[in-house]
Parts: sequence; C-alpha cells; structure tokens
Amino acid sequence: NAGVTQTPKFQVLKTGQSMTLQCAQDMNHEYMSWYRQDPGMGLRLIHYSVGAGITDQGEVPNGYNVSRSTTEDFPLRLLSAAPSQTSVYFCASSYDITANSPLHFGNGTRLTVT
Amino acid sequence: SQQGEEDPQALSIQEGENATMNCSYKTSINNLQWYRQNSGRGLVHLILIRSNEREKHSGRLRVTLDTSKKSSSLLITASRAADTASYFCATDADSWGKLQFGAGTQVVVTP
Repeated sequence: NAGVTQTPKFQVLKTGQSMTLQCAQDMNHEYMSWYRQDPGMGLRLIHYSVGAGITDQGEVPNGYNVSRSTTEDFPLRLLSAAPSQTSVYFCASSYDITANSPLHFGNGTRLTVT
Repeated sequence: SQQGEEDPQALSIQEGENATMNCSYKTSINNLQWYRQNSGRGLVHLILIRSNEREKHSGRLRVTLDTSKKSSSLLITASRAADTASYFCATDADSWGKLQFGAGTQVVVTP
C-alpha cells in the first residue's frame, strides 16, 4: 500500500516556466489537498477537493491551478513560476474530512524557482 | 492567517525527560489534531481531540484541550531520540474542508 505518492521529489524552475506537481493516492480517499510549507509559517492550504470533479480554493490559491478528474489523482499546476513559489509542497488525502478522518501526507516536492 | 500557534518554537531535552508544547487558536473549533514531521518527510497524524473532550491519551502522548482558553497541549512522556521532530497542531475552525496548521514546535531529544 503506497499511500500518497508525490512526484517529483525535487524540481528547479526558472521564472516564467510552468510545471505540474503530481499527487496520487491508492486509499480510495475522497478528500485531497495541497499545502505549501515555508520556514516559520507552518503549512498553508492552496487548493482542496472533496471528490472527483470538485475543487475549491484554500488560503493561498493565486498562481496555482488544480483539477480532479479521478479519485486517485490531484495534480497541482504552476502556470508561470515565480520566486515566491519556492517552497516545499505537500499533498494530503483523507477518507472523510467531515468525519474527522486524519490527513495522510506525501513526502513532499521541494521546488526552487530562480 | 494561521489559526493555531505553537509554543515554544523550539525545545531541547534529554532522553527520558517529558516534552510539553502548547497550541493556541483564535476561533471556535470542532476538533484539534496534532501531527509530527520528521526531517524531510511528510506529516504524520498523532491524535485528534474533539471540542467536547478535555483529555486524550495515546501511548506516551497526552493531549489536553481547554476550549475556554482556546488552547491545547501535547505532552510526550519519557522522550526518546526517535521523538526528535517538529510537532504541529491543526484546527478546522474555518470549515471542515480547510484544516489550518500552526508553525510548529521543533523538538530535539538528545541521548
């Protein structure tokens, strides 16, 4: 059972480039989310999804797009990377967020934008 | 904006000692969760306490919740070197889909 898998583990982009961070879970979780973690600021929610075809914005959505075409996958797209998007990105899923099921996290993608 | 704030920011103790960290939050919650993060890894869920609970135990972990003071504490008893990690509290104050995390307490346990 792989849990939540994030790829790539590391990525360096130049300002203005685009890329997609991949996230897949094999636990049949309906809820998936993306967080970014910056030093001294904890984790901040970017986007989340409560099921296939449904997405919503979190605390810091600007500059990021998401889609949820399947239950398993929840990719995060950076359309035009900026240095302010240098961060560690975590994908997390939950069986049922309304029933207080805990979040399961991937091991993160460390992104540097130069 | 952060809902939960952990205190202290960093904690250094020796093996066998207890470690206590606190979390304060701003608005009413349905539940509060604690997570652990080892260096270079994702967060791992430790324990959840509901707003109508005052104390909860899990192994060497003890969590308390005081909704009147909007605060929670996490106690790790008989610390081990393997407990070295960052610990985060998370609340669902905004809505059930938006779990908000504090900045964390970095705990170092030395042998």
